[in-house]
Amino acid sequence: KAGVTQTPRYLIKTRGQQVTLSCSPISGHRSVSWYQQTPGQGLQFLFEYFSETQRNKGNFPGRFSGRQFSNSRSEMNVSTLELGDSALYLCASSLGSLKDEQFFGPGTRLTVL
Amino acid sequence: AQSVTQLGSHVSVSEGALVLLRCNYSSSVPPYLFWYVQYPNQGLQLLLKYTSAATLVKGINGFEAEFKKSETSFHLTKPSAHMSDAAEYFCAVRRSNYQLIWGAGTKLIIKP
Repeated sequence: KAGVTQTPRYLIKTRGQQVTLSCSPISGHRSVSWYQQTPGQGLQFLFEYFSETQRNKGNFPGRFSGRQFSNSRSEMNVSTLELGDSALYLCASSLGSLKDEQFFGPGTRLTVL
Repeated sequence: AQSVTQLGSHVSVSEGALVLLRCNYSSSVPPYLFWYVQYPNQGLQLLLKYTSAATLVKGINGFEAEFKKSETSFHLTKPSAHMSDAAEYFCAVRRSNYQLIWGAGTKLIIKP
């Protein structure tokens, strides 16, 4: 069974630009969560989608948005990039119930110059 | 609000020694608890999870954790540390609204 895939793996952007990251979950998984990981702030929850609906949302500004498609693939978008958005962005998928673990992708390393 | 506390941002042990990584949670309902490991430049990998079936949970790579309701703890242990265990470890608790609440992580350092 293929794992969670994220594209691209590395990305370099400049301030003010926007970026779209993609995540393909494990087949059959209906929940996709996104996280931002930085050395200073650790692992921070962005949002979770379940069956194309946003089920939970973290405490990030509106520049961060996401969506999920009918095949469970998900994208997240960051508009008007800031230097502080440089981070590892992790996607995780799960079957979606309370007891189900999340399976993580390798992440997308975003650098904002 | 539910929270997770991992005691010690860095833990250092000698190779072959006992590994103990601490995790305490606050929850008003029986929780679902998870331990994950992250190796450098990789995503997180599940080590083990507690879903109320048994209080002692065995995971991968020789790790295990014991759920203690009276102490609201879910500490991770391994009898004998190996150099390959050097990584960052995260404890997480599932909220009733499905969101995972994460601890700050503990970096495990193995001394030769």
